[in-house]
Amino acid sequence: QSVLTQPPSASGTPGQSVTISCSGSSSNIGSNAVNWYQQLPGTAPKLLIYSNNQRPSGVPERFSGSKSGTSASLAISGLQSEDEADYYCAAWDDNLNAWVFGGGTKLPVL
Amino acid sequence: QLQLQESGPGLVKPSETLSLTCAVSGDSINDAGSYWVWIRQPPGKGLELIGSIYFLGGTHYNPSLKSRVTISVDASKNQFSLKMSSVTAADTAVYYCARHNGAFISSGFFDYWGQGTLVTVSS
Repeated sequence: QSVLTQPPSASGTPGQSVTISCSGSSSNIGSNAVNWYQQLPGTAPKLLIYSNNQRPSGVPERFSGSKSGTSASLAISGLQSEDEADYYCAAWDDNLNAWVFGGGTKLPVL
Repeated sequence: QLQLQESGPGLVKPSETLSLTCAVSGDSINDAGSYWVWIRQPPGKGLELIGSIYFLGGTHYNPSLKSRVTISVDASKNQFSLKMSSVTAADTAVYYCARHNGAFISSGFFDYWGQGTLVTVSS
């Protein structure tokens, strides 16, 4: 059972938009920034969004992040086949004194 | 370009100690703005932070694993290591080393990752 709650799956077709949610509590998302990671099949996770809504160099603008209260979201617009991956949210938890991750959301691009 | 590479045995017997090393290239492990971390992912499951180390040697461990984990750094070899004692089948996972970019371990993000190494705990 992950501390941060994500839907186990999402889906979309090429060109569509999709949003993945991440729900937490006051001790993690409610008081700390959220990061998102993309894990392509068989590879290591890659930083996708940091500090709630910042994109590292090289990440396309169609990936965006937001946070409100104790929840965060990752939005992907103009879905492409190469976006087929698992997506994880992460935040520091002040009570657990540790980084916590969501359980991951699998995104097939149909 | 910073690169990290994990190495170590792929098979460990139950009750024994898992030992992995992460070689860092492309930058010095003595970067004052970085922590160095170990993260694991059981097959088909999500990510779990094991712990971190600062180049000066300060460590922080996931409370759930703290009693079994030791992370150390060897600046002369630009590498850091993980030891996990008394392993069980539940410790079977892909183990990643990564860099945490942030002034404090409680902020920032993991921006560079190794490719990961599968460690299976079995007799």
